[in-house]
Amino acid sequence: KQEVTQIPAALSVPEGENLVLNCSFTDSAIYNLQWFRQDPGKGLTSLLLIQSSQREQTSGRLNASLDKSSGRSTLYIAASQPGDSATYLCAVSSTGNQFYFGTGTSLTVIP
Amino acid sequence: EAGVVQSPRYKIIEKKQPVAFWCNPISGHNTLYWYLQNLGQGPELLIRYENEEAVDDSQLPKDRFSAERLKGVDSTLKIQPAELGDSAVYLCASSALSVSDTQYFGPGTRLTVL
Repeated sequence: KQEVTQIPAALSVPEGENLVLNCSFTDSAIYNLQWFRQDPGKGLTSLLLIQSSQREQTSGRLNASLDKSSGRSTLYIAASQPGDSATYLCAVSSTGNQFYFGTGTSLTVIP
Repeated sequence: EAGVVQSPRYKIIEKKQPVAFWCNPISGHNTLYWYLQNLGQGPELLIRYENEEAVDDSQLPKDRFSAERLKGVDSTLKIQPAELGDSAVYLCASSALSVSDTQYFGPGTRLTVL
């Protein structure tokens, strides 16, 4: 069974800093990897989707990379803002059409 | 374009009572997912539908949980009878295609079993 780990579990940074969130998975046979954002009491919002054949995806201040061979993905947030405060989750879809989420990283950006 | 709609948003019931959750996916999305999310954890897939067919229900506790997606559009997830450990957020998501596509989530239903 695929296991997805996110480190750190919580992160606090001052506004304006660049930061990196990490996601690792145990089985490299994946279809894609997605990064989501979840605000308290709300559902998940998709941020970036990386297909297994891709190395990275960018959207605004966000950049996600994927290294299948090492079972790792990173989400880079540039020039962080207080509005970026949320929990960030990564999810992988594996062969057999299974979906696995990590436990998330809770990000706080301090004004 | 309307997003994924779920109701109710909150539900409080006593143990052993039945409960049902409803989800209406984004129009045109063939794939529908039900997830369970415990506090501080990531979502766990309960069941996935492709149109009206349940193609993955391996994580659904079938002794008390059931789901249906009649006509391949909206879906209902039911628990009967509910147990204390069922308290969680139940999330519905949909995607246009199958596993290769972005999932769009609803706001979830927060269930509290007393």
